[in-house]
Amino acid sequence: AQSVTQLDSQVPVFEEAPVELRCNYSSSVSVYLFWYVQYPNQGLQLLLKYLSGSTLVKGINGFEAEFNKSQTSFHLRKPSVHISDTAEYFCAVTDTGGFKTIFGAGTRLFVKA
Amino acid sequence: KAGVTQTPRYLIKTRGQQVTLSCSPISGHRSVSWYQQTPGQGLQFLFEYFSETQRNKGNFPGRFSGRQFSNSRSEMNVSTLELGDSALYLCASSSGTTRYNEQFFGPGTRLTVL
Repeated sequence: AQSVTQLDSQVPVFEEAPVELRCNYSSSVSVYLFWYVQYPNQGLQLLLKYLSGSTLVKGINGFEAEFNKSQTSFHLRKPSVHISDTAEYFCAVTDTGGFKTIFGAGTRLFVKA
Repeated sequence: KAGVTQTPRYLIKTRGQQVTLSCSPISGHRSVSWYQQTPGQGLQFLFEYFSETQRNKGNFPGRFSGRQFSNSRSEMNVSTLELGDSALYLCASSSGTTRYNEQFFGPGTRLTVL
């Protein structure tokens, strides 16, 4: 069975500052990794995904994430955040053999002016 | 291409009642997954349907059930509602045929149980 841990429930940050949202996962098999974003009163939108290959993955809106197999982590980063990045971010894993996705509890990013 | 649509967007029910939620996937998508989102539990996987068959199931009681029609539209039913069923119910669709599960989410149905 897989599990996903998002280490921070809330992350406040000032506009134009860098941010890192942390995600660790546990799985006995190979996985695919995802980050989703949820803006208020909306569904989730895919930010980026890691399937294989380069461990540094670039997504939409200037976000990127790095897959670290030895540390079983998939942290999300952005070098300079905007007010509009205020949202909830979810890390998710899917085992490569199935079609079931497990989500982390979410990290609420709050960007202050 | 139209996105995933969910109806109704908001619903208020009382304990003991039952409710049916509807999800229309993106055209061509054959997989529909359902999630329950609450502040305390985050997103919890309910079940996934592919070509009218339940392919995966989460750890929810039998009061939660679903089905998928031949046009890939899906419904989720919750019987004998409890206060704890108050949540945002999200539906996600995907092609369902690739080995990774890139999902496209609808806006959700917010269910309030009084």
